[in-house]
Amino acid sequence: DAGVTQSPTHLIKTRGQQVTLRCSPKSGHDTVSWYQQALGQGPQFIFQYYEEEERQRGNFPDRFSGHQFPNYSSELNVNALLLGDSALYLCASSLAGRAKRETQYFGPGTRLLVL
Amino acid sequence: GEDVEQSLFLSVREGDSSVINCTYTDSSSTYLYWYKQEPGAGLQLLTYIFSNMDMKQDQRLTVLLNKKDKHLSLRIADTQTGDSAIYFCADSHTGTASKLTFGTGTRLQVTL
Repeated sequence: DAGVTQSPTHLIKTRGQQVTLRCSPKSGHDTVSWYQQALGQGPQFIFQYYEEEERQRGNFPDRFSGHQFPNYSSELNVNALLLGDSALYLCASSLAGRAKRETQYFGPGTRLLVL
Repeated sequence: GEDVEQSLFLSVREGDSSVINCTYTDSSSTYLYWYKQEPGAGLQLLTYIFSNMDMKQDQRLTVLLNKKDKHLSLRIADTQTGDSAIYFCADSHTGTASKLTFGTGTRLQVTL
């Protein structure tokens, strides 16, 4: 049973560039959430996708956008990168709508460094 | 807004019990989770507790919840060096979009 996978594992970009991160959910899951974890901090919720729609969003600017595909995989896009966007980006998947408890399982993350 | 707080660091000797504490502010939290993060890795779900429970035991792990004081703890019995990691508590709410709100994490160091 494949767990949550993310690509790439590491990425280096320069200020002003754009980046796309990818996530494949755990088998059988239909919901994907994205979190940003700055160094020494806990993860911060960016947004969540279900049925190809963004259904909740955290306190992040519009430079952060996402997409969910019919196979439930997801992308996180960040435009106009800032130095402060350097972080570990975590994807979590869960199963919605059929259980009260939407336990989220995390992938290994993508470490983004903005220079 | 919601807030989850944890102490930053805990050091214990191998074989002793570890107790990691967490406080949260949102009284509508329905599920509370403990995740473990090893260096350079993602988050591993350890256990969770529903808000109408006081205690949950899962092998070496015991979760205690004091809903009145909004206090959550994770006890690890017979702590091993492999338990050295950062431990995060997180809360969520039932509904159509169950985002997690995390604490800042407690670094557990296990010494010989």
